[in-house]
Amino acid sequence: DVKVTQSSRYLVKRTGEKVFLECVQDMDHENMFWYRQDPGLGLRLIYFSYDVKMKEKGDIPEGYSVSREKKERFSLILESASTNQTSMYLCASGPRQHFGDGTRLSIL
Amino acid sequence: GEDVEQSLFLSVREGDSSVINCTYTDSSSTYLYWYKQEPGAGLQLLTYIFSNMDMKQDQRLTVLLNKKDKHLSLRIADTQTGDSAIYFCAESIGTWGGKLIFGQGTELSVKP
Repeated sequence: DVKVTQSSRYLVKRTGEKVFLECVQDMDHENMFWYRQDPGLGLRLIYFSYDVKMKEKGDIPEGYSVSREKKERFSLILESASTNQTSMYLCASGPRQHFGDGTRLSIL
Repeated sequence: GEDVEQSLFLSVREGDSSVINCTYTDSSSTYLYWYKQEPGAGLQLLTYIFSNMDMKQDQRLTVLLNKKDKHLSLRIADTQTGDSAIYFCAESIGTWGGKLIFGQGTELSVKP
C-alpha cells in the first residue's frame, strides 16, 4: 500500500512566521501535489511537481513556495504566514493521487 | 475554464442506495475519479473511470458516465452508517497522473 506521510496533523503558528509543511511518500512516485481544503471550496491546487527540483504553480500559488530536493519529499513553505492561510493542507502522491491525512494549520 | 459541480448534501436511510451526482465542463477529461473523506482524514481513492467507458462496477460501488451530458454519478448499494463521509468527484486534465480538478464535495449522511 502507498504511504503518504505528512509531518504534523495539527500546527499553530503566528502571523509573519515562515512555516514548513513536509510530505514524504514511499512509492518512488514522480508526481506530488499540495492542496488546501476550505469549507464550501473543495480542494484547490497550490503547487505540484513531476520530478526532483521541478515545480509547477497550481491555481492558488500566491504566498506559497515549494521544495523538491529528493524524490520522496515535497515541502510546502509559507514564506510569511497570514491568517487567511489558516486551512487544512493535503499532500498527494502518484498518478492516482494517494493522499496523506492532512495538516490542519492555524495562523494566529 | 474547468469546473466540477456537486450537490453539497445527501441524506439516506441505512440499507437504501445512495446516488451522488457530479457534472464537469472539460470535454477533454481523460479520467474521472471518486474520493471519500472521513472526518479528520485525508482523501481515499474509491474508484475511477476512463472517459471511453460508460460504467464501472466494483462491489457495492457503481460509476456511471454520460460523456454527452458531462455527468458522472456514484451509486452505493446497501448504504451503511460507515459510508457517512464527504465524497469528492474529480476530473483529470491532460495526461494520466496530471492535475485534477475537484468538486466541492457531497456530504453523505446515513441514518439508521
